[in-house]
Amino acid sequence: EVQLAQSGGGSVKPGESLRLYCTLWGVPFTDAWMSWVRQAPGKGLEWVGRIKSKGSGGTTDYAAPVRGRFSISRDDSKNTVFLQMNSLKVEDTAMYYCSWIVRAPGSMLSWGQGGLVTVSS
Amino acid sequence: QSVLTQPPSASGTPGHWVTISCSGSSSNIGKNPVNWYQQLPGTAPKLLIYDNSQRPSGVPDRFSDSKSGTSASLAISGLHSEDEGDYYCAAWDDSLNAYVFGPGTHLTVL
Repeated sequence: EVQLAQSGGGSVKPGESLRLYCTLWGVPFTDAWMSWVRQAPGKGLEWVGRIKSKGSGGTTDYAAPVRGRFSISRDDSKNTVFLQMNSLKVEDTAMYYCSWIVRAPGSMLSWGQGGLVTVSS
Repeated sequence: QSVLTQPPSASGTPGHWVTISCSGSSSNIGKNPVNWYQQLPGTAPKLLIYDNSQRPSGVPDRFSDSKSGTSASLAISGLHSEDEGDYYCAAWDDSLNAYVFGPGTHLTVL
């Protein structure tokens, strides 16, 4: 069974940084493409970005609102993907989900439990 | 403003069927597979349909999709009360080089 466990959410002030973590079990992590999706309170789903497996180049893609501020990386030895969020804005307040992409380019089959990020002065 | 368009709401009665539409463009739905996600209240999204009408294990065949040109639709037959929730279409957009979600459709089972 594929499972994802997230950690690292919290409350920060505008301009500060936060890192989210997501560990994947149940599939070979080295082959896994991973994605982050967020959902602001009462709003719809918004794709944040993805990271390909190293075998597929290990490259990243980001949504326009976070490009240049957020970065996704991975540690295959720990089955973990990271979302580094810098220069946080109030509008980044959301529940952040990590997910496993079962089929490229973005079909997300398994999801983490979510981590709440609150940005407020 | 989403690049994919969905109606904000839909409704149906138990046992009947409902369709939810999703409209996009040649850079997303017109070129790439459409995915459909279900999000029940207070839970993480769940993939319903992917990669040209594939259903993950455990998703009943009451859920089906279709696509024509730059539009797609999700059909749910034999509605159950537990189907009540939000439904999102999504696709990769080649112009944006990004995955895009529709704004979501809230399904009410009357």
